[in-house]
Amino acid sequence: NAGVTQTPKFQVLKTGQSMTLQCAQDMNHEYMSWYRQDPGMGLRLIHYSVGAGITDQGEVPNGYNVSRSTTEDFPLRLLSAAPSQTSVYFCASREGAGNQPQHFGDGTRLSIL
Amino acid sequence: QQQVKQSPQSLIVQKGGISIINCAYENTAFDYFPWYQQFPGKGPALLIAIRPDVSEKKEGRFTISFNKSAKQFSLHIMDSQPGDSATYFCAASNTGTASKLTFGTGTRLQVTL
Repeated sequence: NAGVTQTPKFQVLKTGQSMTLQCAQDMNHEYMSWYRQDPGMGLRLIHYSVGAGITDQGEVPNGYNVSRSTTEDFPLRLLSAAPSQTSVYFCASREGAGNQPQHFGDGTRLSIL
Repeated sequence: QQQVKQSPQSLIVQKGGISIINCAYENTAFDYFPWYQQFPGKGPALLIAIRPDVSEKKEGRFTISFNKSAKQFSLHIMDSQPGDSATYFCAASNTGTASKLTFGTGTRLQVTL
């Protein structure tokens, strides 16, 4: 029973590099989302998706792209990494309604030098 | 604009004591208020949640108190244990399928022996 799986767990990038953070869920959830967690700022929503082929911006979308080609996968792309994107990134999924629990992965710790 | 304000930022409680974390929200459209618990190196996990049609919800040692007129809600942890040491996040959303969960900034709880 994997739940939400994020890879990699740790990554160090140089400024200007690109990379994709992977997220997969095996619960057939329609809603998936990406958050970043920074000290003293809680979890802030980057992008979310209510189903395959549908994505939308959250609170802090700049510098990030997403796509949702399947129900299971929701990758997050950094096109040109900046030091301000150093953070811990969490992917989450839930069944449709907003009062359903969100299931989080264990995060990707990303450092941009 | 921070829509959910959480306090305190950190809290130290002796074993057996009561831990109290407070949150206030601004958006009157919110109608779902969960609390998430996060251990180091892990993603947040749903602890307990409440709808605004009730003033209190209790699950074991954890209780949410809700004051709709004041737009405030709080988490009480009775008989706090060292295993409760974690970061706690309050959150709020509406219940639509595209609703976005807005998190507070988190409270780091340490329960001492």
